Amino acid sequence: EDKVVQSPLSLVVHEGDTVTLNCSYEVTNFRSLLWYKQEKKAPTFLFMLTSSGIEKKSGRLSSILDKKELFSILNITATQTGDSAVYLCAVVNRDDKIIFGKGTRLHILP
Amino acid sequence: DSGVTQTPKHLITATGQRVTLRCSPRSGDLSVYWYQQSLDQGLQFLIQYYNGEERAKGNILERFSAQQFPDLHSELNLSSLELGDSALYFCASSVGISPDTQYFGPGTRLTVL
Repeated sequence: EDKVVQSPLSLVVHEGDTVTLNCSYEVTNFRSLLWYKQEKKAPTFLFMLTSSGIEKKSGRLSSILDKKELFSILNITATQTGDSAVYLCAVVNRDDKIIFGKGTRLHILP
Repeated sequence: DSGVTQTPKHLITATGQRVTLRCSPRSGDLSVYWYQQSLDQGLQFLIQYYNGEERAKGNILERFSAQQFPDLHSELNLSSLELGDSALYFCASSVGISPDTQYFGPGTRLTVL
């Protein structure tokens, strides 16, 4: 059965710290991996990864995929209180079925 | 504001009833996706429609059905409701067939009493 596992489930750090969120997957016919940020309501898209070893960056956020070891990481440097959210990882297979992990709840202390 | 609209925002109903959730995608988007989010199950993909046709299916129960109309809006029908169907239902849309870049609507909170 396809599955996506995120770790840790929750994380509390201080403002300015760097965090690394993990996402591992077992999916038949992998197509892409997606990261989302969910604050109070709807998830918002962060990154799409399809190739191993190519880092995607957006400001203080970056992500990379390892298709051999079947995982991805999301890094956030110099964290701010506005980064507090649930971060969701999802994998899309070649039938376009989307499987989400349970998310990592990140809380940034001022 | 993602440009995806969902109605109603909240819905309270009783077990055994049937409800319809509505979604209007962003202008120009041809794909619509439905998701269910509950505390214990997380975000679950239900179904995708592309330009009126069913494209991909996830963990959608037989009691649930969806359709996409010629004007591209979509409806999710939930019938014979159970307490466990209480959840936040999201609709998302994307330009093409691939779900790679989706924009989520604000969700409909369904409470089944």
